[in-house]
Amino acid sequence: DTGVSQDPRHKITKRGQNVTFRCDPISEHNRLYWYRQTLGQGPEFLTYFQNEAQLEKSRLLSDRFSAERPKGSFSTLEIQRTEQGDSAMYLCASSLVRAYLNTGELFFGEGSRLTVL
Amino acid sequence: KNQVEQSPQSLIILEGKNCTLQCNYTVSPFSNLRWYKQDTGRGPVSLTIMTFSENTKSNGRYTATLDADTKQSSLHITASQLSDSASYICVVSGQAGTALIFGKGTTLSVSS
Repeated sequence: DTGVSQDPRHKITKRGQNVTFRCDPISEHNRLYWYRQTLGQGPEFLTYFQNEAQLEKSRLLSDRFSAERPKGSFSTLEIQRTEQGDSAMYLCASSLVRAYLNTGELFFGEGSRLTVL
Repeated sequence: KNQVEQSPQSLIILEGKNCTLQCNYTVSPFSNLRWYKQDTGRGPVSLTIMTFSENTKSNGRYTATLDADTKQSSLHITASQLSDSASYICVVSGQAGTALIFGKGTTLSVSS
């Protein structure tokens, strides 16, 4: 399978615990995005990387959230001291962008569903 | 404010019938408009991408239209199948790298 893969698919944790999600994008894609989606809503932008550089972060990304893409390949999204409001589907997407202003076609992973008890 | 509004919020149709989903946007400047299909508990899958100069684009039984003057798009599904039951999300891209504005989606249920 050469699509975007996310791990784990499901995570149940207790409030206050830390969780980490991993995303493996399509291999030649230079952009990687993280989104959060709650029930009945469209995905909300969290952050994106161009290769290993994190170029933008949403205001939704509080200081408890941190994302990395150390070698420009896979990425991790860590949530520290989880709260019940963090319960959501966390979606990763990747794209190949050739022009600076071109977002490219996004390919999404299946998501990581987080439940905070 | 850049916004994407979709209607209806939800829709129930009988298998074999056609339906049309609407998307209105206020995103400016405009780069392209995308429609995604999202099955329950899965990630979105791209159906079409249309740029400013494209009025119609088809992908099998899915046909998207774009009127950049009125900032409206529609997604028409022909001869619906049970597998079309999903959320359909309209996404508009501005000209900045991350300016992807997502609609909340229309939930389509196809029943037999």
